[in-house]
Amino acid sequence: GENVEQHPSTLSVQEGDSAVIKCTYSDSASNYFPWYKQELGKRPQLIIDIRSNVGEKKDQRIAVTLNKTAKHFSLHITETQPEDSAVYFCAARANNNDMRFGAGTRLTVKP
Amino acid sequence: GAGVSQTPSNKVTEKGKYVELRCDPISGHTALYWYRQSLGQGPEFLIYFQGTGAADDSGLPNDRFFAVRPEGSVSTLKIQRTERGDSAVYLCASSLTDGSYEQYFGPGTRLTVT
Repeated sequence: GENVEQHPSTLSVQEGDSAVIKCTYSDSASNYFPWYKQELGKRPQLIIDIRSNVGEKKDQRIAVTLNKTAKHFSLHITETQPEDSAVYFCAARANNNDMRFGAGTRLTVKP
Repeated sequence: GAGVSQTPSNKVTEKGKYVELRCDPISGHTALYWYRQSLGQGPEFLIYFQGTGAADDSGLPNDRFFAVRPEGSVSTLKIQRTERGDSAVYLCASSLTDGSYEQYFGPGTRLTVT
């Protein structure tokens, strides 16, 4: 089955700097890669996703890149703000609807 | 419109007891998923429903866990003979169809087994 690894487990940046979180996956059949943001005690919220037919997707300060050959994908947050502080999860899913999540990255943006 | 809702928000039960956790998906969403999230970990897939049927229950850890969705809307996750290791947040998510990738999560039920 699919196995998703996520790094780093914690990340601290200064407000205004960029943050990058990386994930690798094992199942070459995976074709959908969402990123979720989870604040303390809250539900995971989808912030951006990418399908396997594109290599990059951007939405304002957030971008995701996908390298299918290397089986890794990354989340990039530019101009970070304190409200970006949360735990971020990557996930990968093949057609079987079994979505596997990474262990999460706790991002802290210091003002 | 209303998002995914789950009840109860918190459940404390004694070891060996039976519990039921409820999920109300977004209206019109035919696909429903249950996940379990332990502290400091990502959500772990348990079971997926398409309509009334469990299309994939490969994530259920053992036969103490069972889920139903009799009318294709509300789902109930049932745990028999609870163990302390079952303590976690149980998350439900729904999506428009099984071909629609975006999953929307409920707030979760925090289960504590004492």
